[in-house]
Amino acid sequence: NAGVMQNPRHLVRRRGQEARLRCSPMKGHSHVYWYRQLPEEGLKFMVYLQKENIIDESGMPKERFSAEFPKEGPSILRIQQVVRGDSAAYFCASSPDRGSEAFFGQGTRLTVV
Amino acid sequence: TQLLEQSPQFLSIQEGENLTVYCNSSSVFSSLQWYRQEPGEGPVLLVTVVTGGEVKKLKRLTFQFGDARKDSSLHITAAQPGDTGLYLCAATSGTYKYIFGTGTRLKVLA
Repeated sequence: NAGVMQNPRHLVRRRGQEARLRCSPMKGHSHVYWYRQLPEEGLKFMVYLQKENIIDESGMPKERFSAEFPKEGPSILRIQQVVRGDSAAYFCASSPDRGSEAFFGQGTRLTVV
Repeated sequence: TQLLEQSPQFLSIQEGENLTVYCNSSSVFSSLQWYRQEPGEGPVLLVTVVTGGEVKKLKRLTFQFGDARKDSSLHITAAQPGDTGLYLCAATSGTYKYIFGTGTRLKVLA
């Protein structure tokens, strides 16, 4: 049973470009969470999605960030017009239902140059 | 705002020593999880505790949830270099949203 798959593992973007991070949850999991981890810090909740629905995006910056989890395909975290401060590791986790144990992917390390 | 404070922040010990790391909050949580994260990887779930006073053992690791469900500890017996990593606690008040602690970075020297 494959775990949570994130790609790419590493992403380099120039300031002003767009970054797209993908997350395929574990088989049978329909709940996806995105977290951001800055260097030497813990994980900060960004957004919680179920298939085709954003349930809670209280941790998402108001501008430039968006997330989706379509009926088919992976969940996407999109960052438009990236800035240096967006450089971080972005982790996706999935669970079979709300509040169950969540399992993390290996993360996407975004570097903005 | 709910906060989880972990201590110590950094810990460097010799192989074979015992250690305890702590996760504290002023809030009551319905469940708490411990993760270990290695450099360049995602957090890996070690254990979930849900009952006040609960103790769980995973080989040389012992996890305890405080009676009031506000704090937790992780004790490692006879630490090994393979235990090196960032230990994170995460807790929820009953919703899906987990608050993560600041982490304890452990280094076990051979």
